[in-house]
Amino acid sequence: NAGVTQTPKFQVLKTGQSMTLQCAQDMNHEYMSWYRQDPGMGLRLIHYSVGAGITDQGEVPNGYNVSRSTTEDFPLRLLSAAPSQTSVYFCASSNTGAGGTDTQYFGPGTRLTVL
Amino acid sequence: SQQGEEDPQALSIQEGENATMNCSYKTSINNLQWYRQNSGRGLVHLILIRSNEREKHSGRLRVTLDTSKKSSSLLITASRAADTASYFCATGGRGNTDKLIFGTGTRLQVFP
Repeated sequence: NAGVTQTPKFQVLKTGQSMTLQCAQDMNHEYMSWYRQDPGMGLRLIHYSVGAGITDQGEVPNGYNVSRSTTEDFPLRLLSAAPSQTSVYFCASSNTGAGGTDTQYFGPGTRLTVL
Repeated sequence: SQQGEEDPQALSIQEGENATMNCSYKTSINNLQWYRQNSGRGLVHLILIRSNEREKHSGRLRVTLDTSKKSSSLLITASRAADTASYFCATGGRGNTDKLIFGTGTRLQVFP
């Protein structure tokens, strides 16, 4: 199994541009989530999904959209990039019925810089 | 708002010494987890302790949980240079079963 994969690894955007961060998992996990990590802030939950067709907001959802059309994929869209969205983004997945509060499997991250 | 806060923020020790990191949280939890993050990498799950458990071991790791004090500790015994990483606690709340909230982390440096 590849586990949780994320693309791209690095991205530089200009203010106002849009882009999609890709996340895929091959473990048939129902629960998937996106976090951002900023220095001194730990990880903050952006959006999460408990299954295909179901998404919900986390702590810091503004400026981001998600969709979950398949169990495997959970893309994160930046609608109009802002410098405040410069961060490292992590996707995670989990298997159990209590998915969000059980062991999370993380991808390697995407480092995004917005100029 | 952050649920867990780790203490200390940074810790430097010599190989062979024990490292203790603490985590405090604010609300009732279903479980508490510890993760490790090597520089530039994703987080790796270390151990999960449920709210009805007081202590758990995994190899050189020992985790304790005191729900009356809303705190947990992670002990790494006989540390190695390879243990150098950031360590995060994460809490799964009773009222928010779909969310895991992370603390700000402890940066551990183990010198050979």
